[in-house]
Amino acid sequence: DAGVTQSPTHLIKTRGQHVTLRCSPISGHKSVSWYQQVLGQGPQFIFQYYEKEERGRGNFPDRFSARQFPNYSSELNVNALLLGDSALYLCASSLGPSSTDTQYFGPGTRLTVL
Amino acid sequence: DAKTTQPTSMDCAEGRAANLPCNHSTISGNEYVYWYRQIHSQGPQYIIHGLKNNETNEMASLIITEDRKSSTLILPHATLRDTAVYYCIVRLRSGNTPLVFGKGTRLSVIA
Repeated sequence: DAGVTQSPTHLIKTRGQHVTLRCSPISGHKSVSWYQQVLGQGPQFIFQYYEKEERGRGNFPDRFSARQFPNYSSELNVNALLLGDSALYLCASSLGPSSTDTQYFGPGTRLTVL
Repeated sequence: DAKTTQPTSMDCAEGRAANLPCNHSTISGNEYVYWYRQIHSQGPQYIIHGLKNNETNEMASLIITEDRKSSTLILPHATLRDTAVYYCIVRLRSGNTPLVFGKGTRLSVIA
């Protein structure tokens, strides 16, 4: 069975630009969470979506937004990119939004902001 | 902030058991202990989780002390492919709380 997939694998943008990252969850999973991992740190929670609704938000500015589609795939959007947005962006899927549902991560999208 | 404390790094000889400790002295009765690992530049991989009983699966064993203030992840026969950063995470059993990662333990398996 296919795991969580993310696209693109790598991305290079310049400051001030906008970026869209995509995630397809494991088949049957209805919840998607997004995490940011900067170099040398553990992943940090950005958003959780379930059934197209936002169920949780981490401590990130409004430049970060996301949405979930009827097929449960998700997009993460970041506007007005800053150098500090350079990171590995991880998507995790789970059966549902509950803390009892194990999250499974995709390979990530490496974003470099120049 | 992460509610766990882990050593920064550990070494293990190939073929030997790797025992990774985690301290979670403020854990509540309603919190799981989760373990994930992250091989260089890949997404974190789920390993195992438990509440208060010891757990075992095809990847590892999780030993939780009786007072639940610490736990140990055991990889019974470490291979070079087990070289990774291992994260111990405490997570509420109710609601929809996200995973809160610390810096983890960098395990190096040496031939």
